[in-house]
Amino acid sequence: LAKTTQPISMDSYEGQEVNITCSHNNIATNDYITWYQQFPSQGPRFIIQGYKTKVTNEVASLFIPADRKSSTLSLPRVSLSDTAVYYCLVGEGAGNMLTFGGGTRLMVKP
Amino acid sequence: NAGVMQNPRHLVRRRGQEARLRCSPMKGHSHVYWYRQLPEEGLKFMVYLQKENIIDESGMPKERFSAEFPKEGPSILRIQQVVRGDSAAYFCASSPNQGANTGNTIYFGEGSWLTVV
Repeated sequence: LAKTTQPISMDSYEGQEVNITCSHNNIATNDYITWYQQFPSQGPRFIIQGYKTKVTNEVASLFIPADRKSSTLSLPRVSLSDTAVYYCLVGEGAGNMLTFGGGTRLMVKP
Repeated sequence: NAGVMQNPRHLVRRRGQEARLRCSPMKGHSHVYWYRQLPEEGLKFMVYLQKENIIDESGMPKERFSAEFPKEGPSILRIQQVVRGDSAAYFCASSPNQGANTGNTIYFGEGSWLTVV
């Protein structure tokens, strides 16, 4: 199974840019990289997905280097409401099991 | 969380009872996934179903747990003879086809919280 490694936690302040890096050394050729956000007592919410280079939407940007062995989620100008757990996932295999690691617990302070 | 409906949101069962958790996927989605999340842990894959078929149940406990996705109606995760260790959040997700490794997004419901007393 392709595994992902993320920092356990990060702290930031309102208005700052936050970059969360995920390592996925065993990513397969056809795998996509997907990031989810989860608040307490809620289901994971899709943030962004990419295959290579850079993807940007209204919420975040995703940077993927050419070797695809890592990816970086960038959240511009975070607010208190961005305090959550962020999961990096890599799609794999015919069964499409998403392997959730421990995620990164982001704490945004005032 | 866009449109995947789960119920009940909260369920309390005594040890030995049965728990049934229901999931209606997003409109147009024919692939359903169930995950379990223990307190302070990440989500763990349980089972992947398409209409009337179990595609992958490698994450399901061998005993007491079963899942179905009938031709008509919601997907059901059934836990028989519940024990305290079954207390967890159970999340359902759906996708229009094969999910993340084909570039399609999987959408999660809000979860069903099972408490076994």
